[in-house]
Amino acid sequence: GDSVTQMEGPVTLSEEAFLTINCTYTATGYPSLFWYVQYPGEGLQLLLKATKADDKGSNKGFEATYRKETTSFHLEKGSVQVSDSAVYFCALKSSAGSYQLTFGKGTKLSVIP
Amino acid sequence: SAVISQKPSRDICQRGTSLTIQCQVDSQVTMMFWYRQQPGQSLTLIATANQGSEATYESGFVIDKFPISRPNLTFSTLTVSNMSPEDSSIYLCSVVLGTEAFFGQGTRLTVV
Repeated sequence: GDSVTQMEGPVTLSEEAFLTINCTYTATGYPSLFWYVQYPGEGLQLLLKATKADDKGSNKGFEATYRKETTSFHLEKGSVQVSDSAVYFCALKSSAGSYQLTFGKGTKLSVIP
Repeated sequence: SAVISQKPSRDICQRGTSLTIQCQVDSQVTMMFWYRQQPGQSLTLIATANQGSEATYESGFVIDKFPISRPNLTFSTLTVSNMSPEDSSIYLCSVVLGTEAFFGQGTRLTVV
C-alpha cells in the first residue's frame, strides 16, 4: 500500500538558517503530494502541494518539488523564522479512489532566536 | 475554505467509559473523515463518513469501537467506546472542499 517516510525529528535551527525536511513516498500510479503544518494548539493546515511530476509547490517561503525519479518531495526554506516553529507532515493522495491522505509521522521544527 | 469546529479540544477519561467528539463544518460537504494521531505516530484514517449512509471503516477499526454519526452535511460525531489507555491519542476530523483537505484542531484524549 501507499506509504510516506519522513525525516525524524525534532529539528532545532537558529533563526535565518536553511531548512530541509526530507520526505519520500511509495505509491502506485501518480499520487498528489502535500505538506501540512500544525502550529501549537491548532489543526493541520495545507502548506503547499504538487499534483504531477516536476511540479514545484511554494507558499510562505517554503518550497517542495515533486521528484518522481527519486519518489521524493523534500520541504525547503531558505531562511526560517521563529514563527515557523511547528510540526510538518508530508502526505500523499493516491491517484485513484476517494480523497484519503496517507501521512508521514511528522517532523517537529523548533526555531530559536 | 472551510472552518471546522471540533469539541472537546481535550479530555481526560476513565477507562471503560466512552467519549463523543463533535465536528461542525461551516460548509455543506459530502465526505467527512476521522483520523487518529497516536503519540509519535502519523495520522491514521479511522473511517469515512458520508451523509445518509453507513461510515466506511479502515482496516483495524470497527463500528462497535468507533461508532460514527453523520446526521447532515455539516456535522458528524465520533465516539470512542469502552476506552483503554491505548486509545490515548489526538482525534481529528477532516473535510474536503474541491481538491483541498481541511482539518479541525483535534481532540487530545487521555485515558487513565
